[in-house]
Amino acid sequence: GAGVSQSPSNKVTEKGKDVELRCDPISGHTALYWYRQSLGQGLEFLIYFQGNSAPDKSGLPSDRFSAERTGGSVSTLTIQRTQQEDSAVYLCASSLSLKAFFGQGTRLTVV
Amino acid sequence: DAKTTQPPSMDCAEGRAANLPCNHSTISGNEYVYWYRQIHSQGPQYIIHGLKNNETNEMASLIITEDRKSSTLILPHATLRDTAVYYCIVRVPDNTDKLIFGTGTRLQVFP
Repeated sequence: GAGVSQSPSNKVTEKGKDVELRCDPISGHTALYWYRQSLGQGLEFLIYFQGNSAPDKSGLPSDRFSAERTGGSVSTLTIQRTQQEDSAVYLCASSLSLKAFFGQGTRLTVV
Repeated sequence: DAKTTQPPSMDCAEGRAANLPCNHSTISGNEYVYWYRQIHSQGPQYIIHGLKNNETNEMASLIITEDRKSSTLILPHATLRDTAVYYCIVRVPDNTDKLIFGTGTRLQVFP
């Protein structure tokens, strides 16, 4: 595609339910990032995939958060047993070398 | 462990030049300076990057001091649409390390 695509654009879920957020990066981009942005806050790094290397998971806030990247392309961020503090915009970015390109994000609301 | 320091906010009159400073006193020899911006409710957008020479593109100019310990992003003729949070990042120009955003500078362009 022309850019990074994220789905869904909005997700409302009940506390305690699991959610999956999807990211389709730009074709050929080897690096993929997930970030979280709470209302009025900065970009919080979550996880980073680079090629076939082991992902850098150092930003995941708890073991309820996990992410996969299948076939070096599409990535899914999974949040288990969602909590209200998980409410935020989740942003995905992909990069080949110098520039990172961001999707428009998934706005997650936990009620 | 932020590698950059930016003022939290700045104002600029429409049509005037916006000069956004960034300190990166611990930058290493192989690290580039990158600038991104995030307009409200959108994903961050790449603006420009440089190593040691001044750079210019259709969006902005980047001035890097000779000792590379600081830089300035210049928007030559700011418009209301340039109101955004501007992030200065230093990193090597490959994907061997994650892309971390600091708190940035919130630029408000006023009529």
